[in-house]
Amino acid sequence: GAGVSQTPSNKVTEKGKYVELRCDPISGHTALYWYRQSLGQGPEFLIYFQGTGAADDSGLPNDRFFAVRPEGSVSTLKIQRTERGDSAVYLCASSLIAANYNEQFFGPGTRLTVL
Amino acid sequence: AQKVTQAQTEISVVEKEDVTLDCVYETRDTTYYLFWYKQPPSGELVFLIRRNSFDEQNEISGRYSWNFQKSTSSFNFTITASQVVDSAVYFCALSEAKYGNKLVFGAGTILRVKS
Repeated sequence: GAGVSQTPSNKVTEKGKYVELRCDPISGHTALYWYRQSLGQGPEFLIYFQGTGAADDSGLPNDRFFAVRPEGSVSTLKIQRTERGDSAVYLCASSLIAANYNEQFFGPGTRLTVL
Repeated sequence: AQKVTQAQTEISVVEKEDVTLDCVYETRDTTYYLFWYKQPPSGELVFLIRRNSFDEQNEISGRYSWNFQKSTSSFNFTITASQVVDSAVYFCALSEAKYGNKLVFGAGTILRVKS
């Protein structure tokens, strides 16, 4: 079956611009997670959703970052007033339910470059 | 605090050699899960194994084996008879019951298998 998909695969933007990154989870998966991976580092947790609600957004670095999942499926990560330090690969993952014994299935990521 | 340490930044081996990737974790929780993920050059994280804190049995899957020792807070991963296709970045991750479902990743170990 289809895995987690993310669009775009690459996004180049200028400092100060607004960007949206999209994640389409595996069908039937109720939990969705966003991580950020900087070069040479492991992924860092940003936020996760159980259904439509954000269950834990403790990893969002500041209020320029926001994520939604209005219908409990597709999610959008939104970054306002982008900064060069936001450049990273943004990974999305989904799992059947939000339980920490569930493996998370990752998408290919969106590489964001802020010039 | 949750923390995962992968002290080996990069390992190079020749095909057919055995190789062990180390993972040490820190947690105050008694209920937690440990994971290993593989990130090949294509970039997509691939789930390899999950272990819960109450199961210290070692596991073998083909050429892969995992050694979980709570006494030393380690969850090491061994590849037997390595192959070029094993070349990737390998991440160890921790999920604690009381911190919800987020994964805390180590910095990863780059494994290069040469023919």
